[in-house]
Amino acid sequence: KNEVEQSPQNLTAQEGEFITINCSYSVGISALHWLQQHPGGGIVSLFMLSSGKKKHGRLIATINIQEKHSSLHITASHPRDSAVYICAVRRSGDKLTFGTGTRLAVRP
Amino acid sequence: EAEVAQSPRYKITEKSQAVAFWCDPISGHATLYWYRQILGQGPELLVQFQDESVVDDSQLPKDRFSAERLKGVDSTLKIQPAELGDSAMYLCASSLTGRTDTQYFGPGTRLTVL
Repeated sequence: KNEVEQSPQNLTAQEGEFITINCSYSVGISALHWLQQHPGGGIVSLFMLSSGKKKHGRLIATINIQEKHSSLHITASHPRDSAVYICAVRRSGDKLTFGTGTRLAVRP
Repeated sequence: EAEVAQSPRYKITEKSQAVAFWCDPISGHATLYWYRQILGQGPELLVQFQDESVVDDSQLPKDRFSAERLKGVDSTLKIQPAELGDSAMYLCASSLTGRTDTQYFGPGTRLTVL
């Protein structure tokens, strides 16, 4: 079993829909990251969380440390949000362990 | 805005050939990471440098892969000989000091081994 599990693996939405991507992990962590990967490969860091909730524009990330679970929400989704969203956890050192990603397609 | 640079962006090679990838991190970033991402999977750390020193290369296949960061700035990842299973995206990232810092990723090099 992977240390980091994401769901769903694939998600298709209509423009304007509210989107939720989930991440569960099985180890103790010091921080959790949400990353966005566009076609072509470049990865952008969206959030780094150790507790609670963070918001940036239409993106909201939450984490529940006790339940070892995090969610990434996108409000008023847009076709330009189409990408792979990756959850990664940091344990006690520097190393990140990545999930396999959620492929999101937002249709106009 | 400063970015992590990588070259080449795409590389096609035949198995048993040697390939090399180059990464130039954001200026001033002490920590540099090389990741391998197989299609449909998340990135996997191959090697981590702190300045010019390797701090983690536990997942680097050392019989064929090597990495160096001689002056603690840019870095080269080499594969010799390349195998079919090495086809993947090779991503470089850097962070200011490691630890809790955000990692900034380069655009990656997509390697295809024929």
